[in-house]
Amino acid sequence: SAVISQKPSRDICQRGTSLTIQCQVDSQVTMMFWYRQQPGQSLTLIATANQGSEATYESGFVIDKFPISRPNLTFSTLTVSNMSPEDSSIYLCSAPDGTDTQYFGPGTRLTVL
Amino acid sequence: QKEVEQNSGPLSVPEGAIASLNCTYSDRGSQSFFWYRQYSGKSPELIMSIYSNGDKEDGRFTAQLNKASQYVSLLIRDSQPSDSATYLCAGESNSGYALNFGKGTSLLVTP
Repeated sequence: SAVISQKPSRDICQRGTSLTIQCQVDSQVTMMFWYRQQPGQSLTLIATANQGSEATYESGFVIDKFPISRPNLTFSTLTVSNMSPEDSSIYLCSAPDGTDTQYFGPGTRLTVL
Repeated sequence: QKEVEQNSGPLSVPEGAIASLNCTYSDRGSQSFFWYRQYSGKSPELIMSIYSNGDKEDGRFTAQLNKASQYVSLLIRDSQPSDSATYLCAGESNSGYALNFGKGTSLLVTP
């Protein structure tokens, strides 16, 4: 299985600021995924991050709000821009293990005041 | 819109009993399905994957898939208090490996 780490594990931010979340995979993967889990809710896909191309965003998510970088096959970042309290969530990255089975990082718990 | 539906529960079962968790999906194009367990404050942990109609067993867990009925289930035999968690059902979306998740079923196993 893929081993995935995320930084930071949690943060408390002020309204209007931005936070960049890092995701590192222990093996090279073509696709990485970013999900959001709002309090008491399930996971919602934000975007798919492919190495060497622009990220693909799901309906309701835009690049200006959630810019994503994918500089190599083991690393990706998600930035939450111009934050508001509604962005308070757990942000999770995931990657497949070479099959179509996805494994998740430990998540970043974000609180926006 | 591709949806995965689960009963949110909570589902309460006594220790040693069989817990039955159910899930339906709307996207007939989905081929792969997954059950994840999520403890409070933790990230989802894969329990089972299933791709073909029928049953798939792994230890105390059995996943069942019926593509004609668009139905996926997870049975947990000899339930333990440590099985108390939220169980998420997910189907593969048309974005390749990205997953559509249900809202999860909360399971409580009482001693």
